[in-house]
Amino acid sequence: SAVISQKPSRDICQRGTSLTIQCQVDSQVTMMFWYRQQPGQSLTLIATANQGSEATYESGFVIDKFPISRPNLTFSTLTVSNMSPEDSSIYLCSVCPSHSEAFFGQGTRLTVV
Amino acid sequence: DQQVKQNSPSLSVQEGRISILNCDYTNSMFDYFLWYKKYPAEGPTFLISISSIKDKNEDGRFTVFLNKSAKHLSLHIVPSQPGDSAVYFCAASAGTSGTYKYIFGTGTRLKVLA
Repeated sequence: SAVISQKPSRDICQRGTSLTIQCQVDSQVTMMFWYRQQPGQSLTLIATANQGSEATYESGFVIDKFPISRPNLTFSTLTVSNMSPEDSSIYLCSVCPSHSEAFFGQGTRLTVV
Repeated sequence: DQQVKQNSPSLSVQEGRISILNCDYTNSMFDYFLWYKKYPAEGPTFLISISSIKDKNEDGRFTVFLNKSAKHLSLHIVPSQPGDSAVYFCAASAGTSGTYKYIFGTGTRLKVLA
């Protein structure tokens, strides 16, 4: 298994500002994933972050809005830029040590006012 | 286009009885399937997985069944306990892409009544 520490756990931010979410894993993993869960909806993949290369973004998500860093095999950050109330969601990082299992951080509950 | 669907948004079951949560998918390239449980204010907790080469996987009270021809999987919880009350998500991945990225269903809220 993998233990993931994600912070902050929650934040309330002013529109137009940016928030950086950090994700620390207790073991080295090749791929890390960032998800968003909007109120009442499922988890939607934002991007896949591999160490040493640019993140791969899913349809509907762009690097300018959600820049990601992956400086090493145990750490990643996701920034939510120029926030609007529509960005209010739970943001989660995830790792997949193998194809048959995936683990999540506890999530960051973001409210934009 | 929702590739992974959980058509029942909620389910109520008496304690001690069986809970059956269903999930349908459309992409025949999916070859791994996972089930998660999520409590409010927590991240999803991995429960059980199954690969497409199997039709059943069991872990304690949790059993997942896969019907590839019907593109359907189900999670059985026996016996159900009040602590099982949570939102359950199924997720699917196409391993051939090598990225392990998962597509999630919309979730089913299970309530186990004492």
